[in-house]
Amino acid sequence: DTGVSQDPRHKITKRGQNVTFRCDPISEHNRLYWYRQTLGQGPEFLTYFQNEAQLEKSRLLSDRFSAERPKGSFSTLEIQRTEQGDSAMYLCASSFRQGFAGELFFGEGSRLTVL
Amino acid sequence: EDQVTQSPEALRLQEGESSSLNCSYTVSGLRGLFWYRQDPGKGPDFLFTLYSAGEEKEKERLKATLTKKESFLHITAPKPEDSATYLCAVQVKNTDKLIFGTGTRLQVFP
Repeated sequence: DTGVSQDPRHKITKRGQNVTFRCDPISEHNRLYWYRQTLGQGPEFLTYFQNEAQLEKSRLLSDRFSAERPKGSFSTLEIQRTEQGDSAMYLCASSFRQGFAGELFFGEGSRLTVL
Repeated sequence: EDQVTQSPEALRLQEGESSSLNCSYTVSGLRGLFWYRQDPGKGPDFLFTLYSAGEEKEKERLKATLTKKESFLHITAPKPEDSATYLCAVQVKNTDKLIFGTGTRLQVFP
């Protein structure tokens, strides 16, 4: 399968624990995006990378969230000291068309449940 | 504030009963408008890009149109396999992020 891959698909954790999600984009795509989606809502932008550079980050993203994309390949999204409000589906997407942020290839998401 | 509103929230159709989904937007400058389909528990799948008023795109039973204030997704003679949530999103000029609406949940019954 050559699509966007996310791991783990499901994560259940206790409040206060740290969690990390991994995203492997389509190999020739240089742009990588993280979105968050809660039930009944559309995806909400978190951050994006062009190669290894993090170019934009949502103001909604608290200091507990950090994302990296070392060497411009896979990316990780870490949430520290999780809160119940962090429960959501975390979606990764990749793209190769510069300037056209909307033609995205999404992964199947990582669903986080914080107890 | 840039905003995207989709209606209706949910739509139930009989197989073969054509209808339209609406996406209205208020943005400071439109770079593009995008339609996605999302099946339960999956990530969205890209359908269409529209760049300017008057533009139309078609794919099988779906046709997307764009005006200066809204976009429509027309579904002609839908089939049960068209059941999904349809999401509309806009890209504002000088940004690389999408602003999504809350989606229209479509159910097509045989």
